[in-house]
Amino acid sequence: EVQLLESGGGLVQPGGSLRLSCAASGFTFSNFAKSWVRQAPGKGLEWVSSISGSGFTRYYSDSVKGRFTISGDDSKSTLFLQMNSLRVEDTAKYYCVKDLGGGYGSGDYWGQGTLVTVSS
Amino acid sequence: QSVLTQPPSTSGTPGQRVTISCSGSSSNIGNHAVNWYQQFPGTAPKLLIYSSNQRPSGVPDRFSGSKSGTSASLAISGLQSEDEAVYYCAAWDDSLLWVFGGGTKVTVL
Repeated sequence: EVQLLESGGGLVQPGGSLRLSCAASGFTFSNFAKSWVRQAPGKGLEWVSSISGSGFTRYYSDSVKGRFTISGDDSKSTLFLQMNSLRVEDTAKYYCVKDLGGGYGSGDYWGQGTLVTVSS
Repeated sequence: QSVLTQPPSTSGTPGQRVTISCSGSSSNIGNHAVNWYQQFPGTAPKLLIYSSNQRPSGVPDRFSGSKSGTSASLAISGLQSEDEAVYYCAAWDDSLLWVFGGGTKVTVL
């Protein structure tokens, strides 16, 4: 059974940093692309970043490019999102998503999310 | 402003058929598969339709998807009270980003 368990969210001041983690199980971590998708309170889904199964290819939305870094540790089957220079508008629940396979943009399993609140 | 355009809401009575449209462009829906997600309040989205018209195991066959050109649709046949949720369409875009619709809230009257 595929499971994705996010952690690392919390309250941080504007300009601060957080590192989100997503512990994955139930599939071969390096065989599938993974993504982070966020959802601001009461709003819709917004893609943040994706990484290939190999980890060599990474994509970012314009809203986080240069501030966030996606990475993965195959030995621990864990996905990360390093978030720097956080802004109030980054406040959201962040979901870790496994891709169905064969490319990007087809998330088939989602974690339960971790809440990031950026506020002074 | 979402890249993919969905109506914000729709409604129907139990047993009715409802459809949700999703409009995009040649760089996303026109060139890539469309996926649909169902989300209940306070829970994570769940994959409902992938590759524009495929249902994952466990998804009732009253849910169906279609795509034509730069638009896609999700149909719910035989609407049930437990189908009351928000539905999102999504697709990869040639600009190397994953784009979503703004979501459609389905209300069962």
